[in-house]
Amino acid sequence: QVQLQESGPGLVKPSETLSLTCTVSGYSISSGYYWGWIRQPPGKGLEWIGSIYHSGSTYYNPSLKSRVTISVDTSKNQFSLKLSSVTAADTAVYYCARVSSPTWFDPWGQGTLVTVSS
Amino acid sequence: QSALTQPASVSGSPGQSITISCTGTSSDVGGYNYVSWYQQHPGKAPKLMIYDVSKRPSGVSNRFSGSKSGNTASLTISGLQAEDEADYYCCSYAGSSIVVFGGGTKLTVL
Repeated sequence: QVQLQESGPGLVKPSETLSLTCTVSGYSISSGYYWGWIRQPPGKGLEWIGSIYHSGSTYYNPSLKSRVTISVDTSKNQFSLKLSSVTAADTAVYYCARVSSPTWFDPWGQGTLVTVSS
Repeated sequence: QSALTQPASVSGSPGQSITISCTGTSSDVGGYNYVSWYQQHPGKAPKLMIYDVSKRPSGVSNRFSGSKSGNTASLTISGLQAEDEADYYCCSYAGSSIVVFGGGTKLTVL
């Protein structure tokens, strides 16, 4: 059974870089699939951030592309998200998920709340 | 790309059927048979309910069904149950490996 778990700081200062890691268990990332990040501001809808293939190919939401980097570490069976120059608008629950080609997300991690505040 | 358009809320009584629409463009919903639907209960992660427009993952009740006509996809829930009360989101492929979600619909079971 595939399980995903997000981890990282729950509080980030404005203008700094948000960094999160998703640890995958029950499946080897290097075996295939895309792996994605999705976020949800409090009380609002879902927003796709980007996805990465196990080989390292990345695809980003055009509205966030200039600030986003997604990477994969197959040796640790993890993939990571970095979002630079954050503002209060980046406050959200961040989810990681396995992506089946081309666009369905299953399963999801439980999500982690990241608050941007000084 | 813009978010897909969903009604903010729908409601129905137990046992009834409801349909949630998801309207996009020919560049996303209308251009590909890659629409998925997610159910989200408060404080929980979304759960995949439908993928590739009308396919149901193992374990999802057959009361849930999906369809598409032109630029609009639909999720139908038949035999409404109290546990179906949740937020529902559609999602579509938009070409060039881009994904777009709908704004979400709150389902209330009366």
